[in-house]
Amino acid sequence: AQSVTQPDIHITVSEGASLELRCNYSYGATPYLFWYVQSPGQGLQLLLKYFSGDTLVQGIKGFEAEFKRSQSSFNLRKPSVHWSDAAEYFCAVGATNAGKSTFGDGTTLTVKP
Amino acid sequence: DAGITQSPRHKVTETGTPVTLRCHQTENHRYMYWYRQDPGHGLRLIHYSYGVKDTDKGEVSDGYSVSRSKTEDFLLTLESATSSQTSVYFCAISGGVDYGYTFGSGTRLTVV
Repeated sequence: AQSVTQPDIHITVSEGASLELRCNYSYGATPYLFWYVQSPGQGLQLLLKYFSGDTLVQGIKGFEAEFKRSQSSFNLRKPSVHWSDAAEYFCAVGATNAGKSTFGDGTTLTVKP
Repeated sequence: DAGITQSPRHKVTETGTPVTLRCHQTENHRYMYWYRQDPGHGLRLIHYSYGVKDTDKGEVSDGYSVSRSKTEDFLLTLESATSSQTSVYFCAISGGVDYGYTFGSGTRLTVV
């Protein structure tokens, strides 16, 4: 069965600092991997995705993520965080069966001024 | 606009009553999903659909049923609501396994 672990429940960074959110997955085949962002009271928005090719993928809002098969990881990064990035972030792994995704429990990002 | 709407946005209902949540899409996507979101649990899949009248169970399907009679509509029914079903319910759509999801804005359901 597929699974996703986001080891950090809550992260605080200063505005302008770099950010890395961790994600580890378990999946038997080549994974489809996704990062989503959720602002308070809102639905989730897709930030970026990976399913093949270049292991460094670029997304919206200046985010990027790197797929590392050897570490079963798909960490999300941003070079310089803005106050508007404060939100909850979810990593997900998608199955080829009807595209069902399994989500991690999320990481809440707080941005200090 | 994302092309997906959920209704109602908020609902309070009494234990034991049936409740139906609606998800409507205008993207003509094949796949539709219902998730619930609870603190500390992320999102958990309730049911999903891979075509009209084609549905299957997710990991937390007990107490829930779904129907999809048209491509654009996916209904989630709580046959007899319980307090443990108090949650935020999200519908999502996808055009394929490599698309990722587009989410609705959610329905906050409170069972009293």
